[in-house]
Amino acid sequence: AQSVTQPDIHITVSEGASLELRCNYSYGATPYLFWYVQSPGQGLQLLLKYFSGDTLVQGIKGFEAEFKRSQSSFNLRKPSVHWSDAAEYFCASYGSGNTGKLIFGQGTTLQVKP
Amino acid sequence: KAGVTQTPRYLIKTRGQQVTLSCSPISGHRSVSWYQQTPGQGLQFLFEYFSETQRNKGNFPGRFSGRQFSNSRSEMNVSTLELGDSALYLCASTTGDEKLFFGSGTQLSVL
Repeated sequence: AQSVTQPDIHITVSEGASLELRCNYSYGATPYLFWYVQSPGQGLQLLLKYFSGDTLVQGIKGFEAEFKRSQSSFNLRKPSVHWSDAAEYFCASYGSGNTGKLIFGQGTTLQVKP
Repeated sequence: KAGVTQTPRYLIKTRGQQVTLSCSPISGHRSVSWYQQTPGQGLQFLFEYFSETQRNKGNFPGRFSGRQFSNSRSEMNVSTLELGDSALYLCASTTGDEKLFFGSGTQLSVL
């Protein structure tokens, strides 16, 4: 069955430091991959997506992610974290033909130290 | 352009009752999907509607149902509420370009 794994439940970084959140997917073909961010009590905001083509994708708020087929990974990165980036981050995917049926990872909570 | 609107924002119900949640998608979006978010199970897909037809369904009991109207607005209904149904229910809409836009959710508490 298709699955998404985020190995890190909680990450703490200092403001200004770089960030990498890990995501691994399990799907035979190339999945559609997404990163979403959620602030407490709020809905999900799309940061970026990968469908095909260039494996390095740029998103909003200075985030980027790299698709690596050989490692079944889609890690999210940001060169310099701001205090406002503290939130929960979700990696998600679905296979072709399953529009709307996103499979989510368990989420990574990001804490930013001043 | 208005975003995805979910009402009500908060709900408190007691076990055995039923509840109806509403979702108005972004104008022009024809697909609406629903997700349940709990601390223990995370985000789980409930179902997806497109042009008033259920197109995908997750692994939830029959107490969870939904429908979509001709204006693309959607409702989901949960009957015979259980304590475990307490969750944030999120609705998302899309034009079919594979990008889902989420509402702020309805926080349901079952007492």
